[in-house]
Amino acid sequence: GAGVSQSPRYKVAKRGQDVALRCDPISGHVSLFWYQQALGQGPEFLTYFQNEAQLDKSGLPSDRFFAERPEGSVSTLKIQRTQQEDSAVYLCASSPGGYTEAFFGQGTRLTVV
Amino acid sequence: GQQLNQSPQSMFIQEGEDVSMNCTSSSIFNTWLWYKQEPGEGPVLLIALYKAGELTSNGRLTAQFGITRKDSFLNISASIPSDVGIYFCAGPHNNDMRFGAGTRLTVKP
Repeated sequence: GAGVSQSPRYKVAKRGQDVALRCDPISGHVSLFWYQQALGQGPEFLTYFQNEAQLDKSGLPSDRFFAERPEGSVSTLKIQRTQQEDSAVYLCASSPGGYTEAFFGQGTRLTVV
Repeated sequence: GQQLNQSPQSMFIQEGEDVSMNCTSSSIFNTWLWYKQEPGEGPVLLIALYKAGELTSNGRLTAQFGITRKDSFLNISASIPSDVGIYFCAGPHNNDMRFGAGTRLTVKP
């Protein structure tokens, strides 16, 4: 596709359930970023990949959050044992190089009930 | 938490009016980015600034990189209804961007 694609667009999870959010970056983009955006706030950094290497995961809020990009293309953000405070929009961005060239997907809105 | 402070938090203006919003930081940035986010969409880059004092335009949008390197301004001239959205400033932090909380713009026809 022409842009960054995220799926699902919406996810409702019961508290305690595990979820997996998918990001298909723009083809050939080396860098991939995950952000969490709470209602009424700006995006907050979660983690960064360069190809398949996870170079920075300092923004992951707890060990329940895990991200992977095994072949340097598609990435998955997994949240285990979801809690209500995990409710947010999860944004993925990709770039051919640095962050200034990053393009964002539409996001996945996660609601934990 | 956020390192960037944006003001105002929200603005309600009439179509045709000019808009000005700003962003300040407690630390020096080498790059300032301005994004717009519409409902249900991801942020879209509007303007990137790389040099202190730089003034850059993109259509009706003009952004400036403050001389102190701790602030930036975004102006929108002759606003139109499609300018509605949330405007975020962002700056570099290691390998990624850190965002302000945004200025929500509402334009009344």
